[in-house]
Amino acid sequence: IAGITQAPTSQILAAGRRMTLRCTQDMRHNAMYWYRQDLGLGLRLIHYSNTAGTTGKGEVPDGYSVSRANTDDFPLTLASAVPSQTSVYFCASSDDSWETQYFGPGTRLLVL
Amino acid sequence: AQSVTQLDSQVPVFEEAPVELRCNYSSSVSVYLFWYVQYPNQGLQLLLKYLSGSTLVKGINGFEAEFNKSQTSFHLRKPSVHISDTAEYFCAVSFGNEKLTFGTGTRLTIIP
Repeated sequence: IAGITQAPTSQILAAGRRMTLRCTQDMRHNAMYWYRQDLGLGLRLIHYSNTAGTTGKGEVPDGYSVSRANTDDFPLTLASAVPSQTSVYFCASSDDSWETQYFGPGTRLLVL
Repeated sequence: AQSVTQLDSQVPVFEEAPVELRCNYSSSVSVYLFWYVQYPNQGLQLLLKYLSGSTLVKGINGFEAEFNKSQTSFHLRKPSVHISDTAEYFCAVSFGNEKLTFGTGTRLTIIP
């Protein structure tokens, strides 16, 4: 069982470019989440999805969009990257007992 | 205002010594409390959680935490640490909305 996979592992991106971070889970979990992790700030929720076909905004949604076409995939898109979006991005999922979230290995993104 | 505070950004501890990592929160609603651990270059994994019942919660790897409602705290403890406990530890709180708000993290360094 792979759990949650994220791609790419790391990326250097020029400012203004569009970028999609991929997240796939094989646990058939209904809920999925995107967080960014920044030094001194911990993890902050960007967007979430309670079930396929629905999405919601988290604490820091500006500059990001998500879609949830099916249960397994939850891509995060940066339409026009800016240096402040340099971060480590984690995807997570949880089943109907939402209290336990399972995290992917993360994507390190550097925007220059 | 609802918030999660981890005052100690770094905690060095000698191997086989006890450790306590502090977590305090502020909330006007009932909370659920969590500790997650992040080993180097990995995603987060759940250590333990408090939802209800006994205020002393035992988790994986010999860790435990105690919910103290009057002091709004949920400190993490281990009686004897090992080199393998070197990691970053995040306290997280759900403020009644099935979403997690993370603290800024405490980096635990074990000194041989």
